[in-house]
Amino acid sequence: AQSVTQLDSHVSVSEGTPVLLRCNYSSSYSPSLFWYVQHPNKGLQLLLKYTSAATLVKGINGFEAEFKKSETSFHLTKPSAHMSDAAEYFCVVRGGTGNQFYFGTGTSLTVIP
Amino acid sequence: EPEVTQTPSHQVTQMGQEVILRCVPISNHLYFYWYRQILGQKVEFLVSFYNNEISEKSEIFDDQFSVERPDGSNFTLKIRSTKLEDSAMYFCASSDGSGRPLNRNEQFFGPGTRLTVL
Repeated sequence: AQSVTQLDSHVSVSEGTPVLLRCNYSSSYSPSLFWYVQHPNKGLQLLLKYTSAATLVKGINGFEAEFKKSETSFHLTKPSAHMSDAAEYFCVVRGGTGNQFYFGTGTSLTVIP
Repeated sequence: EPEVTQTPSHQVTQMGQEVILRCVPISNHLYFYWYRQILGQKVEFLVSFYNNEISEKSEIFDDQFSVERPDGSNFTLKIRSTKLEDSAMYFCASSDGSGRPLNRNEQFFGPGTRLTVL
């Protein structure tokens, strides 16, 4: 079975400081992993995805994530937070032959000026 | 940039009424999905649709739910007799068939329809 656990429901950082949003996954297969962001009243936007190529994945807006099989983790990072990064972030896994996505519970990121 | 659109943005209905939630997927996409998010809970998969038929569905997607692609652009979710617990945000998504393997492709999500059942 596939699942993801987002370890923090809320993260608060100061503008200009690093961001770390944690995600651990469980998958019976070689997983496809995604991070999506949702701004208020907007759809879910893809930040980045891992699909068994490079383990360090770069996404939009300066975000990146590293797939660590030994730790079953796929944490999202950004070196320097911007006010516009304040949003809800979802870690998502899809494994096996199915098309359905399994979402984490989300992490709400607050950026303090 | 192409995007998935959903209408209406907010739907209020009485318990027992039928509702139809509408989605326009990205035009060259072949796979279509519905998800829902009850307030304060995870986003949950409902159903996927390919080649005019359901390819997967979850336990949530029982007989009161149905999906349809009535024409070349729309993808609808019908709830026949709404219950209070159907109140949620419903997201439509689509993906294309160009990647290999196909199930590695990302899904593009719409902004959601907030359904409130009174």
